[in-house]
Amino acid sequence: GAGVSQTPSNKVTEKGKYVELRCDPISGHTALYWYRQSLGQGPEFLIYFQGTGAADDSGLPNDRFFAVRPEGSVSTLKIQRTERGDSAVYLCASSPTGGQGYGYTFGSGTRLTVV
Amino acid sequence: GENVEQHPSTLSVQEGDSAVIKCTYSDSASNYFPWYKQELGKRPQLIIDIRSNVGEKKDQRIAVTLNKTAKHFSLHITETQPEDSAVYFCAGVGSNYKLTFGKGTLLTVNP
Repeated sequence: GAGVSQTPSNKVTEKGKYVELRCDPISGHTALYWYRQSLGQGPEFLIYFQGTGAADDSGLPNDRFFAVRPEGSVSTLKIQRTERGDSAVYLCASSPTGGQGYGYTFGSGTRLTVV
Repeated sequence: GENVEQHPSTLSVQEGDSAVIKCTYSDSASNYFPWYKQELGKRPQLIIDIRSNVGEKKDQRIAVTLNKTAKHFSLHITETQPEDSAVYFCAGVGSNYKLTFGKGTLLTVNP
């Protein structure tokens, strides 16, 4: 696609529920990143995929968070047993080759609200 | 890992004045420093970047300077316009190749 697409743009869920957030990167970009942005803060790294594999998941806050990228394109961020503290904008970015931070293109994000 | 500090957190200027935002970083191996502009409810957009082999880069009204010895870099916006109002984030890429962002600066340009 022409840009990084994230769906849904907004998600409201009840505490304890399971949610899935989807990211469709720019076609051909091998690297994909998930970041979380809380109100008034900069984006914080969650996980980095190179192709199908998670090259670095050190930013995932706990085992309720999991992400997959089974075919090396679309990625899904999964959050189990959501908590109010999970409320944030979840940003996805992709880049052509990964590493070094060059060429990131961000999606518009999914605003998750846990009530 | 990399730690990026950004100042000030808010900045208000009159239209036509200059604005300067400063960042420091911790990882001496960092070699790439992008700046992003984020308007309310929108995605961060890259506005300028600098690599460690240069000290300054300009693009029209925007410039970035880098001092590797002191581990700090700055964004300079000249002749500010109301449409420059947004949150600006600096970032660094250290030896772990991840972008680490500062906390952001809310720039308000008053007409």
